[in-house]
Amino acid sequence: DIQMTQSPSTLSASVGDRVTITCRASQSISNWLAWYQQKPGKAPNLLIYKASSLESGVPSRFSGSGSGTEFTLTISSLQPDDFATYYCQQYNSLWTFGQGTKVEIK
Amino acid sequence: EVQLEESGGGLVQPGGSLRLSCAASGFTFSSYEMNWVRQAPGKGLEWISYINSNGLTMHYADSVKGRFTISRDNAKNSLYLHMNSLTAEDTAVYYCARAENQNFYYWGQGTLVTVSS
Repeated sequence: DIQMTQSPSTLSASVGDRVTITCRASQSISNWLAWYQQKPGKAPNLLIYKASSLESGVPSRFSGSGSGTEFTLTISSLQPDDFATYYCQQYNSLWTFGQGTKVEIK
Repeated sequence: EVQLEESGGGLVQPGGSLRLSCAASGFTFSSYEMNWVRQAPGKGLEWISYINSNGLTMHYADSVKGRFTISRDNAKNSLYLHMNSLTAEDTAVYYCARAENQNFYYWGQGTLVTVSS
């Protein structure tokens, strides 16, 4: 089974900050990686697929990069609506989520 | 508009069984692969099961293999999850999710399953 490890688990930031979340896979997953945003009490929302492709309607301040085993999600200028929990997910072999990164207000 | 609505959650005793349903509307249900994802209280997301569009191919996470069964009725636009031998570790919100190119684009609002005596 492929394990996904995100870091950090919690991130404190201010509006306007540049934020980077890292996701590492236990083995190569090529670029079969997605990022989701989840707000409390709500279902997750797909932000990025295939490591770097922005889902339609997602603001351009979100970007993804990486391949193989190391990936990043970057928010170029954090907005109030972005305080949420973010999950990476591999789909190279079935599906596995990372444990999540909570982005909170500093 | 794509809509997915889960139902069937509730309180069940350890060792018990439950069947979850996911009613789909706003799209051609029979054309899409579907999944179940769960989230324990205060915890992260866990993919647990997949079914292809014609219902002939299924996959399960190790944590539920042999206890849970995914199925679908394309004539009723419905997805199901039959859960047996439930334990406290199965307590979670259960989401159904529509897959496209293996990404989960649409999710239901979730249904809470609580396993407790």
